[in-house]
Amino acid sequence: QITLRESGPTLVNPTQTLTLTCTFSGFSLSTTGVDVGWIRQPPGQALEWLALVYWDGDKRYNPSLRTRLSITKDTSINQVVLTVSNLDPADTATYYCVHSRLWFGDLLLFDYWGQGTLVTVSS
Amino acid sequence: QSALAQPASVSGSPGQSITISCTGTSSDVGSYKYVSWYQQHPGEAPKLMIYDVSKRPSGVSNRFSGSKSGNTASLTISGLQAEDEADYYCSSYTDSTTYVFGTGTKVTVL
Repeated sequence: QITLRESGPTLVNPTQTLTLTCTFSGFSLSTTGVDVGWIRQPPGQALEWLALVYWDGDKRYNPSLRTRLSITKDTSINQVVLTVSNLDPADTATYYCVHSRLWFGDLLLFDYWGQGTLVTVSS
Repeated sequence: QSALAQPASVSGSPGQSITISCTGTSSDVGSYKYVSWYQQHPGEAPKLMIYDVSKRPSGVSNRFSGSKSGNTASLTISGLQAEDEADYYCSSYTDSTTYVFGTGTKVTVL
C-alpha cells in the first residue's frame, strides 16, 4: 500500500531555511503520471498548495511562494525534499506530503497524504 | 492565484442533504475537469472524497456526490450522518498549471 512520511525540524528560527523530507513507499516516482507534492496548513486555517515534482522531473510551484520554494526528488531512495527559504512566523504550519496520479485521463489528485509535520517558526 | 470561495459553514440535521459550493474563475474551476473535494476531521490529514468533478475513489460512500456549473463546483452530502461533521475543501487545476484550494467549509450535523 502507498504510504508517505514527512520528516524535518519542528522549530526553526525566522530568516532560516526549512528542509523537509518526504519518504514514501508503495509506488515509484518513475512511473508515468505520478507526482509527489507538498501542502501546508497553518493552525486553524485552510490548506495551501505549495509545490510538486512529476515523474519526469518537471516541477510546479505556488506562484505566491515561487522565489522561496525548491523541490527535488531522489527516485533511487524514494524521497522528495522541499526547502522553504527566508522563513517567517507566518510559515508556521503543518506540512503534508501528498501523492497524485494521472490515470487514463483521470486525475486522482492528492489521493494519499502523509500524517503531516508541524513546523513552528519562532525565535 | 486567489483561493476558491467556499461558505465558512454549512449545517444540517441527520438524514438531510446539504450542498457546499466552491466558486472560482474561468482560469481554474470554469476551465478544467480537475476539481477535487477533501474531508478533514480534527487532527487528521485530509481525505480525497471526489475527483474529476464527480468521481468517487474506491471506498467513499455514494452519499457524496460532486458537480460543476460554470465557475462553481458543488459537493452534495445526502443522508447526512454524524460522522460527516468535518471541514471540507475543494481544489482545482489552474491556467498556470498549478493548483489552488478553497477557503474551507465547516459542516455541522445538528
